Amino acid sequence: NAGVTQTPKFRVLKTGQSMTLLCAQDMNHEYMYWYRQDPGMGLRLIHYSVGEGTTAKGEVPDGYNVSRLKKQNFLLGLESAAPSQTSVYFCASRIDEGRKGEQYFGPGTRLTVT
Amino acid sequence: GNSVTQMEGPVTLSEEAFLTINCTYTATGYPSLFWYVQYPGEGLQLLLKATKADDKGSNKGFEATYRKETTSFHLEKGSVQVSDSAVYFCALIQQGGKLIFGQGTELSVKP
Repeated sequence: NAGVTQTPKFRVLKTGQSMTLLCAQDMNHEYMYWYRQDPGMGLRLIHYSVGEGTTAKGEVPDGYNVSRLKKQNFLLGLESAAPSQTSVYFCASRIDEGRKGEQYFGPGTRLTVT
Repeated sequence: GNSVTQMEGPVTLSEEAFLTINCTYTATGYPSLFWYVQYPGEGLQLLLKATKADDKGSNKGFEATYRKETTSFHLEKGSVQVSDSAVYFCALIQQGGKLIFGQGTELSVKP
C-alpha cells in the first residue's frame, strides 16, 4: 500500500514551458486535492476533485489545469510556466467521511521556474 | 470567510521543554480541526484532530483541545525531543472537505 505518490520529485522549467505533475493514490479515495506551499503562506488549494471525472477550482487556480480521468489519478498541468509558479506542490486524497475525514498527503514536487 | 491564524515562528526550545503553539480560527459553524506535521523534506502527516467542541485530540505526547468559546486549538507537549523538530500546521475543514491551513510554525529543538 503506497498511499499517495507524486511524480516527479523535482523539476526545473524555463518560463513558457509546460509540464504535468502526476498524483496517484491506491486507497480508493473519492476526493483528491492539489496544493502549493510557499514560505510563510502555509498550503493553498489550487484545484480539487470530488470524484472521477470531476474537478473544481480552489483558492489559487489561475495558470493551472487539472484532470481526473481515473479515480486513482489526479493530474496538474502548467500550460505556460511562470516564475511565480516556483513552489512545492502537494497532492492529497481523502475518503468521503463528511467533515471528519483526514487528508493523506504525498511527498511533494519541488518545481523551479527560471 | 474561514481562516486559521498560527503563532509565528521559528520557535526554538531545548530538549524536554514545554511546547505551546497557538492556533485560532474563524469559521461559520463548528468545523473539525486538525494539526498536521511536516518533517524536513517530507509531505504533511496528520498529528491529531478534534471534531467537536471540547474534544481533545492527542498523539505522540501532543495534545490540543477544541475550544469553541475562544475559537482556539492550541498544540501542547509537555517535554519536546529533538525528533519533534518540524513545521506544524493548524487547519480546519470546510465544505467539500477542503482544508484551510495556517501559515505554519517551525519548531527547532536543541539537545
